[in-house]
Amino acid sequence: EADIYQTPRYLVIGTGKKITLECSQTMGHDKMYWYQQDPGMELHLIHYSYGVNSTEKGDLSSESTVSRIRTEHFPLTLESARPSHTSQYLCASSEWGGRGTDTQYFGPGTRLTVL
Amino acid sequence: GENVEQHPSTLSVQEGDSAVIKCTYSDSASNYFPWYKQELGKRPQLIIDIRSNVGEKKDQRIAVTLNKTAKHFSLHITETQPEDSAVYFCAAGGKTSYDKVIFGPGTSLSVIP
Repeated sequence: EADIYQTPRYLVIGTGKKITLECSQTMGHDKMYWYQQDPGMELHLIHYSYGVNSTEKGDLSSESTVSRIRTEHFPLTLESARPSHTSQYLCASSEWGGRGTDTQYFGPGTRLTVL
Repeated sequence: GENVEQHPSTLSVQEGDSAVIKCTYSDSASNYFPWYKQELGKRPQLIIDIRSNVGEKKDQRIAVTLNKTAKHFSLHITETQPEDSAVYFCAAGGKTSYDKVIFGPGTSLSVIP
């Protein structure tokens, strides 16, 4: 199993609260990702980073921010949680391989419920 | 940017039969095509990938084929087993080392015993 960690695993919070979801990897991967996924449904890219101090927005980025100050750490912040944010959030990391491969390793996810 | 379509969205097969999932992509510069399997309640995991310089790749009961001219690639699972039941995602990308893959919407496969 790849070494990528997410905390908390479960979070129930009220509307309007600011929350930060943590993601860390110990593999030294340059690339990291945040996805939003309802159970068994499409993976929606929220944010992407290809290295320290580099981030790009995905399709669902407008209500969240990320930072990449250290290679191993890629936290996601929701400034004001809403019920529509209720979902599972998956963090992933990858490294461009010598064969031109780019395998993503996913964390266990954070299941967020906003009341 | 890249856009990946995937069909069918759901697929039911009898145990022992074959299953085929098809994907198309829009960016002709894409050259890396991975497939991920996500079992219920678990995280997606890579099951097989293919580069554009290869037309077909096999790993036991799983095979992937790529047609770069038509910009489509397929996952073939033979002799399906109940443990193959999962959501399968195709993806395309890999133009540069900074590029990210774009995932298809997924196919929910059910293998009926």
